[in-house]
Amino acid sequence: EVQLVESGGGLVKPGGSLRLSCAASGFTFSTYSMNWVRQAPGKGLEWVSSISTSSTYIYYADSVKGRFIISRDNAKNSLFLQMSSLRAEDTAVYYCARVFRVETAPIDYWGQGTLVTVSS
Amino acid sequence: DIQMTQSPSSLSASVGDRVTITCRASQSISNYLNWYQQKPGKAPKVLIYAASSLQSGVPSRFSGSGSGTDFTLTISSLQPEDFATFYCQQTYSTSVTFGGGTKVEMK
Repeated sequence: EVQLVESGGGLVKPGGSLRLSCAASGFTFSTYSMNWVRQAPGKGLEWVSSISTSSTYIYYADSVKGRFIISRDNAKNSLFLQMSSLRAEDTAVYYCARVFRVETAPIDYWGQGTLVTVSS
Repeated sequence: DIQMTQSPSSLSASVGDRVTITCRASQSISNYLNWYQQKPGKAPKVLIYAASSLQSGVPSRFSGSGSGTDFTLTISSLQPEDFATFYCQQTYSTSVTFGGGTKVEMK
């Protein structure tokens, strides 16, 4: 069974940093691209970042570029999101998500999400 | 970035109704369009990928169509478990974007 379990969320002050982790199991992690997607309270979905299987291709939303860093450790079946210079508008549930291996790259599995709250 | 505009933003419908949700891209995205359903407190679930391909395990009452800039998600006969929020997503660009969502509520 595919499982994605996020951790690392919590309350952080504006300007602070946080590192999210996602532990993957039930599939060959190294052969799937991965995404982070977030959802602010009561709002819609916002794609945050993508990383290819070998970390060769990495992309970010403009809203987080220069502040967030996505990475992965295929040996440990783990995905990470290092977040710095956090702002109130970064408050959201952050989902770790697996990309289905078809051309249009939909997300076929999501974690349960971890809540990040940026507030003084 | 490619903007994805969904309409309507919400709708009221009854069990058995045919429901249609539209998604328009700000530029052509070929068929790089996916549809998701999200229920409160849960992660989204993919329904349709590549504009019209039904994800495994998704009921056949869900269908998708379109290409280029205009896309449609149709629920042929709304069931009680279908009340949820639906999102389109374009993956044509490396900067992925979602539509704003359509909330389907019970009339």
